[in-house]
Amino acid sequence: DAKTTQPNSMESNEEEPVHLPCNHSTISGTDYIHWYRQLPSQGPEYVIHGLTSNVNNRMASLAIAEDRKSSTLILHRATLRDAAVYYCILSLPQGAQKLVFGQGTRLTINP
Amino acid sequence: SAVISQKPSRDICQRGTSLTIQCQVDSQVTMMFWYRQQPGQSLTLIATANQGSEATYESGFVIDKFSISRPNLTFSTLTVSNMSPEDSSIYLCSVEESDTEAFFGQGTRLTVV
Repeated sequence: DAKTTQPNSMESNEEEPVHLPCNHSTISGTDYIHWYRQLPSQGPEYVIHGLTSNVNNRMASLAIAEDRKSSTLILHRATLRDAAVYYCILSLPQGAQKLVFGQGTRLTINP
Repeated sequence: SAVISQKPSRDICQRGTSLTIQCQVDSQVTMMFWYRQQPGQSLTLIATANQGSEATYESGFVIDKFSISRPNLTFSTLTVSNMSPEDSSIYLCSVEESDTEAFFGQGTRLTVV
């Protein structure tokens, strides 16, 4: 499985944008980039995924570098409820739910 | 989206005993996954469970210790046997509903004393 590298922790202020980086220099051409987050005392939840193009949904945006060796999860206006551990995961589209979790980024939101 | 219920939500068990964790899904799913999350750590996949076949275990996990059943398309169990304090973790089940999104249960917090 291709590996991802994320900062251990990040901090931001409420109502400000947050950019969470992820490096995946060994990504293959068929790997999708998935982001999940784990709120305190809960199971992980899906945030967003993409292959090559930037993606937007109601939770976040995903910006993928042209060479696909890195990506950035963007929370446009952080709230206290966004405090969580964010995981960047690579997987194939088939059987994509066999997920290999790295250590993730612990995001702290200051009021 | 799939709704997953895990039972029990937490338990405190004596070393040497076994615990069976149940995972119930509100829709039929092909694949179910069991993960372990040790204190302060990330999630590690234990095994993949398909209905009607033996579970597929990841490296470092064996059936004698982590026995999995998958009797139908909406239910699975994980039995942790001969427990020791090192087995204290959160155990989570997960399902595939589409090719793009996985859903997780709230987890079972196990403490072995």
